Amino acid sequence: QSALTQPASVSGSPGQSITISCTGTSSDVGGYNYVSWYQQHPGKAPKLMIYDVSNRPSGVSNRFSGSKSGNTASLTISGLQAEDEADYYCSSYTSSSSYVFGTGTKVTVL
Amino acid sequence: EVQLVESGGGLVKPGGSLRLSCAASGFTFSSYSMNWVRQAPGKGLEWVSSISSSSSYIYYADSVKGRFTISRDNAKNSLYLQMNSLRAEDTAVYYCARDLGGSYLPWGQGTLVTVSS
Repeated sequence: QSALTQPASVSGSPGQSITISCTGTSSDVGGYNYVSWYQQHPGKAPKLMIYDVSNRPSGVSNRFSGSKSGNTASLTISGLQAEDEADYYCSSYTSSSSYVFGTGTKVTVL
Repeated sequence: EVQLVESGGGLVKPGGSLRLSCAASGFTFSSYSMNWVRQAPGKGLEWVSSISSSSSYIYYADSVKGRFTISRDNAKNSLYLQMNSLRAEDTAVYYCARDLGGSYLPWGQGTLVTVSS
């Protein structure tokens, strides 16, 4: 199972919106609504930000939103803040009853 | 508070074995599937293995199939990962994570496994 494709880096100024893409295939992203997004700060465990494509767990800011079109999922961070600077990973359930993560995106707040 | 705490990591020689444990608390452990996910130094996340609530369904990544064995003890609220025939490329922080049905919440703090001679 190949990793889902994410841009290596995305940057934006405080207050701006950025979008991170996550491209897979019809056997993972395109085939299931089990796409999730994780935020990871250096030296910390990943934190769930979005589940089932577009749902936010309790406690996650509504500045984070998710969507999906075909084989590509997206995470949008609006009103970018300094604390949003981190690595972000997408994940999807697959037709092999396994999971696959994205390659990861480093978000930089300018 | 829902919490997962991994243990058992350390330094092991290539070809050696190690058993990781994950202690769960704050939720009904026996009701959830569980997963192991790893992250090599400076690299991305890699799903390793999953086990259903009653251990009826078990899956592995191709990279560890035949070498790693996932198991659980619902009476002890514990998840395990037996790792045999370890290779340098297995060096990583290993996280356990509760499966919410397509997503992981929460994650443990991770335990570092280093495979080196």
